[in-house]
Amino acid sequence: EVQLVESGGGVVRPGESLRLSCGASGFTFDDYGMTWVRQAPGKGLEWVSGINWNGASTTYAESVKGRFTISRDNAKKSLYLQMNSLRAEDTALYYCARNTMIRGVINYLDYWGQGTLVTVSS
Amino acid sequence: QSVLTQPPSVSAAPGQKVTISCSGSSSNIGNNYVSWYQQLPGTAPKLLIYDNTKRPSGIPDRFSGSKSGTSATLGITGLQTGDEADYYCGTWDSSLSAEVFGTGSKVTVL
Repeated sequence: EVQLVESGGGVVRPGESLRLSCGASGFTFDDYGMTWVRQAPGKGLEWVSGINWNGASTTYAESVKGRFTISRDNAKKSLYLQMNSLRAEDTALYYCARNTMIRGVINYLDYWGQGTLVTVSS
Repeated sequence: QSVLTQPPSVSAAPGQKVTISCSGSSSNIGNNYVSWYQQLPGTAPKLLIYDNTKRPSGIPDRFSGSKSGTSATLGITGLQTGDEADYYCGTWDSSLSAEVFGTGSKVTVL
């Protein structure tokens, strides 16, 4: 059974940093690209960042580019999101998801974790 | 602000059919596959449709997807109370080099 478990969320002040983790099990982790998606309270889904199977290719939403860094450790079957210079508008539930790729871009997200909540408030 | 537009809400009686549209452009829906996600209240999104029309294992055939030009549609037949959820379309946007989601549609069973 595919499982994705996020951790690392919490309450931080504007300008501070946080590192999210996502542990994977039930599938061959390094066969898949991975993605972070967030959802602000009462709002829709927003794609945040994606990484290919070996970490050589990463992509970011404009809203987080230069502040967030996605990475992975295939030996530990883990995905990470380093979030720096956090803003109030980064407050959201952050999901990690497994994605398939086609022609080098994300195709669909077939398994999602339950999310970890990040709150940025002074 | 999403580049994919969906109706905010759709509703129908139990057993009836609803359709949800997802409107985009040539840089996203027009040249990439569309997927659909169901988000039941208080839960994580779940893949419902991928590659425009395909259903993952375990998804009933009451759910269907189609695509024409720069628009896609999700259909739900035999509506059940358990189908009350938010539904999102998603696809890759080649101009933005980003995955994009629709604005989301809330399905209500009357």
